[in-house]
Amino acid sequence: RKEVEQDPGPFNVPEGATVAFNCTYSNSASQSFFWYRQDCRKEPKLLMSVYSSGNEDGRFTAQLNRASQYISLLIRDSKLSDSATYLCVVNLYYGGSQGNLIFGKGTKLSVKP
Amino acid sequence: DGGITQSPKYLFRKEGQNVTLSCEQNLNHDAMYWYRQDPGQGLRLIYYSQIVNDFQKGDIAEGYSVSREKKESFPLTVTSAQKNPTAFYLCACGTGPDEAFFGQGTRLTVV
Repeated sequence: RKEVEQDPGPFNVPEGATVAFNCTYSNSASQSFFWYRQDCRKEPKLLMSVYSSGNEDGRFTAQLNRASQYISLLIRDSKLSDSATYLCVVNLYYGGSQGNLIFGKGTKLSVKP
Repeated sequence: DGGITQSPKYLFRKEGQNVTLSCEQNLNHDAMYWYRQDPGQGLRLIYYSQIVNDFQKGDIAEGYSVSREKKESFPLTVTSAQKNPTAFYLCACGTGPDEAFFGQGTRLTVV
């Protein structure tokens, strides 16, 4: 089983649609969780951290289910500018200064007019 | 402004040549990472370092070397032993359980 699994997509949706990305992770010791956005030929950028209580940032909502080892990202009212690849990331933090970041392969989203 | 800087943005390598990719950060992060990304693929870890003068191999270290002589700097050398070096190389830094910050990447092409 891969450490972090995502549906590769692509997800092709019309503007205004709601789209959900899912991610599962295999290591129950994972300490922290993130969603990154990567535009074509650019570096990944942090979209949002994911907390057990769930968190929302405008049109974006992230959820974490530790029992099921499952992370989700919901995008409401999608915009053309949301088109990108979304990376699920877990941090197997064992203490000290070094994190151990594990990246999913990403889910590609394409929002059409 | 604090940040992480990679250079050059584009790099061309001849067959059999070693090249070095620069990564510098002023975010005071202890850990630094090098990833490789191939078209349509995810990130694969090459090397990482958590303190000065110490580094560990990642999943695909063969054909690469690194050094960490200063906290701020983590250069990656792509050696002639790396048979398929054409890729997008990303450097990142972070601390502990927090998120990582990426440089803008170096696109390496073998000519």
